[in-house]
Amino acid sequence: LAKTTQPISMDSYEGQEVNITCSHNNIATNDYITWYQQFPSQGPRFIIQGYKTKVTNEVASLFIPADRKSSTLSLPRVSLSDTAVYYCLVGPNQAGTALIFGKGTTLSVSS
Amino acid sequence: EAGVTQFPSHSVIEKGQTVTLRCDPISGHDNLYWYRRVMGKEIKFLLHFVKESKQDESGMPNNRFLAERTGGTYSTLKVQPAELEDSGVYFCASSQDPRDGYGYTFGSGTRLTVV
Repeated sequence: LAKTTQPISMDSYEGQEVNITCSHNNIATNDYITWYQQFPSQGPRFIIQGYKTKVTNEVASLFIPADRKSSTLSLPRVSLSDTAVYYCLVGPNQAGTALIFGKGTTLSVSS
Repeated sequence: EAGVTQFPSHSVIEKGQTVTLRCDPISGHDNLYWYRRVMGKEIKFLLHFVKESKQDESGMPNNRFLAERTGGTYSTLKVQPAELEDSGVYFCASSQDPRDGYGYTFGSGTRLTVV
């Protein structure tokens, strides 16, 4: 499975937009890009998934350029409760293939 | 709908003892995954079931770990005998088709401490 690279940590203030970029240079043709959020003492929580271009849901937006070698998770107007670890994963390239987690990005939001 | 349920939430056992972790996936989800996070490390894949069959067990650390999913419903992960390095948080996740825009649903995990 493709390896991903993300910043280890990011800091932000309440109300700001946060963009977390993930690189995945070896992404396979049929891999999807999925982002998860994890709070302490909880399991990871699905945020958003995309294959190409832009995907938006009620929580976030995901921007994927044409070459798909990177992706950017955009969190609009973050709040203190968005402080968490964010994981970028690529795959599964077929239904049921296990996802592999990297180190993730620790986002700290301050008031 | 009910989420993924894991039991127990915490377990403290002595080295050499046996512990069994349980995971109840979302009803109807054929895919069930076990992951583990050791303190300070990344979340590591352990095992993947499709219904009752082991699709991929390449992440299982050694033969002290035994996972089962009888009947394709709930799953158990047994550690016997437990060692100190087995301490960590064990997560279970389930999905029907993880490309359907909903990804995996994870449980809250079982925190295992071996002393």
